Amino acid sequence: DAKTTQPPSMDCAEGRAANLPCNHSTISGNEYVYWYRQIHSQGPQYIIHGLKNNETNEMASLIITEDRKSSTLILPHATLRDTAVYYCIAEYGNKLVFGAGTILRVKS
Amino acid sequence: EPEVTQTPSHQVTQMGQEVILRCVPISNHLYFYWYRQILGQKVEFLVSFYNNEISEKSEIFDDQFSVERPDGSNFTLKIRSTKLEDSAMYFCASSAWDRVSVEQYFGPGTRLTVT
Repeated sequence: DAKTTQPPSMDCAEGRAANLPCNHSTISGNEYVYWYRQIHSQGPQYIIHGLKNNETNEMASLIITEDRKSSTLILPHATLRDTAVYYCIAEYGNKLVFGAGTILRVKS
Repeated sequence: EPEVTQTPSHQVTQMGQEVILRCVPISNHLYFYWYRQILGQKVEFLVSFYNNEISEKSEIFDDQFSVERPDGSNFTLKIRSTKLEDSAMYFCASSAWDRVSVEQYFGPGTRLTVT
């Protein structure tokens, strides 16, 4: 599994876009980029994933650089309920390896 | 919306006792997983299970641990002789099938406290 690097914490104003970066410079060609989040002590929640192309769903957008060495998760209009730990995972197969993630604090 | 459920939400046990943690995965899912998270630490993979057998396990998943799908709906994690260091949140997850990209859906967790 490729190692990912994320900032330990970020703040975002409520209603603004939250842009969470992730570096995965050693990602291999068949590894997908996944984003999960964990609100307080709840189970991790799947957000989005992608391989090469940018992806969007009802929760977020995922922007992957052309060289695939980094990506950005975008929450377009952050709310207080988006305060959580966000995990970026690069993986092939079905074992998720979680790092420390980014603590996103959405403030009013 | 279908979801993974886990019981109990909190289990307290004495060191050396056996515990069974239960999970009901999403009904049409074929892959099942257990993860754990010691307080303040990272979420750690324990084991994956498919077609009634373990497909992958971590170093944490030693002989004290076992998994079983006793019927068509439940998926269990058994710890035979609990240790203090087994105290953690245990999360069950399931996924549709083992494609090259697949999202896992997690349950709310069971908090295990070993005294």
